[in-house]
Amino acid sequence: EIVLTQSPGTLSLSPGERATLSCGASQNFGSSNLAWYQQKPGQAPRLLIYGASSRATGIPDRFSGSGSGTDFTLTISRLEPEDSAVYYCQQYGRSPPTFGQGTKVEIK
Amino acid sequence: EVQLEESGGGLVQPGGSLRLSCAASGFTFSSYAMSWVRQAPGKGLEWVSSILGGGGSTYYADSVEGRFTISRDNSKNTLCLQMNSLRAEDTAVYYCARATVPTWGGAFDIWGQGTMVTVSS
Repeated sequence: EIVLTQSPGTLSLSPGERATLSCGASQNFGSSNLAWYQQKPGQAPRLLIYGASSRATGIPDRFSGSGSGTDFTLTISRLEPEDSAVYYCQQYGRSPPTFGQGTKVEIK
Repeated sequence: EVQLEESGGGLVQPGGSLRLSCAASGFTFSSYAMSWVRQAPGKGLEWVSSILGGGGSTYYADSVEGRFTISRDNSKNTLCLQMNSLRAEDTAVYYCARATVPTWGGAFDIWGQGTMVTVSS
């Protein structure tokens, strides 16, 4: 099973700042098979990025994904108050699909 | 509107059974693989099971293999998860989710609101 490790555990930033979230994989799984999700309290996850760098429908362009091999990044270019949430990465290239443990983004 | 709505959660004793359903609407159900993903209270996301668009192939996490059965009825746009021999560690919110492709290997682009399953005596 591929283990995804996300860092940092918590990110506390001010509105307008740039957030950089990392996701590292224990082994290669096919670079394009990585997704990022946003989950707010009491809500279902929402797909932000798939294929490592493609934004899902309706996702603002301040969200961007990059990376390949075993190292991936989600960048939120200018934080908005509504971006406060937990963010998960997920690989779907090798069975079983696995998720990272999440990064909590707090807006000061 | 593309939508998934789960039902069937509740409180069940250890060793008991429960059947979850997920009603899909707003899209061609048979064209997409479907999955169940769960989230224990205060924890992260865990993939549980997937079924391909045609229903012929199913996949399970090791933690539920042999106890859970995923199925779908494409004529009724419904996904199900039969859960037997339930354990305390199965306590979680269960989400149904649509994959972006009909075959294995897609991200999950549409999620239901989730249904809570509590396994406790």
